[in-house]
Amino acid sequence: DAGITQSPRHKVTETGTPVTLRCHQTENHRYMYWYRQDPGHGLRLIHYSYGVKDTDKGEVSDGYSVSRSKTEDFLLTLESATSSQTSVYFCAITRGAETDTQYFGPGTRLTVL
Amino acid sequence: GQQVMQIPQYQHVQEGEDFTTYCNSSTTLSNIQWYKQRPGGHPVFLIQLVKSGEVKKQKRLTFQFGEAKKNSSLHITATQTTDVGTYFCAGAKAAGNKLTFGGGTRVLVKP
Repeated sequence: DAGITQSPRHKVTETGTPVTLRCHQTENHRYMYWYRQDPGHGLRLIHYSYGVKDTDKGEVSDGYSVSRSKTEDFLLTLESATSSQTSVYFCAITRGAETDTQYFGPGTRLTVL
Repeated sequence: GQQVMQIPQYQHVQEGEDFTTYCNSSTTLSNIQWYKQRPGGHPVFLIQLVKSGEVKKQKRLTFQFGEAKKNSSLHITATQTTDVGTYFCAGAKAAGNKLTFGGGTRVLVKP
């Protein structure tokens, strides 16, 4: 694989609580992405990063924020979790340009009660 | 915005039979990629197509990119239980644009 880890792998939380998911890569790749996966919707881009402190919104960014203070870490924060944010979250990297092959982490299953 | 649609959403296949899944984009693509996700796993890259009309094969899998670079197909021959999973296509309008993923085709194989 591409040396991508995600933590935690599973999390159950309550509505209104803040949640932070971490994506860690070991190969110093520039581009990192956060997706959510829901039945019938495939993979939808939440936020992405093209370098340290350089981030931008994807198609479903409302309710999420991100930070990238180091090349190897890309954090996804749900400021106040809602039940609609129950999903599987995948982090991905590309080893070259933005449109190159994406390599995915193992995913985090988040349940918001 | 760019939309990528996949059909069918579900595909039930008898072991040994062939099937095809289709990917259609609302815009012309610079390239298209296919990924496979096993149940409980993460998406894994299968192949990338770049040229108009391009055809690539991986053992029993045949991938095709349309002449207009707006559609693609994945054909699997002699389906096996190891083919179970969800197949996603993903395309980008141009270099420097992000990939947009289709909704996936979930393949179930009946032994």
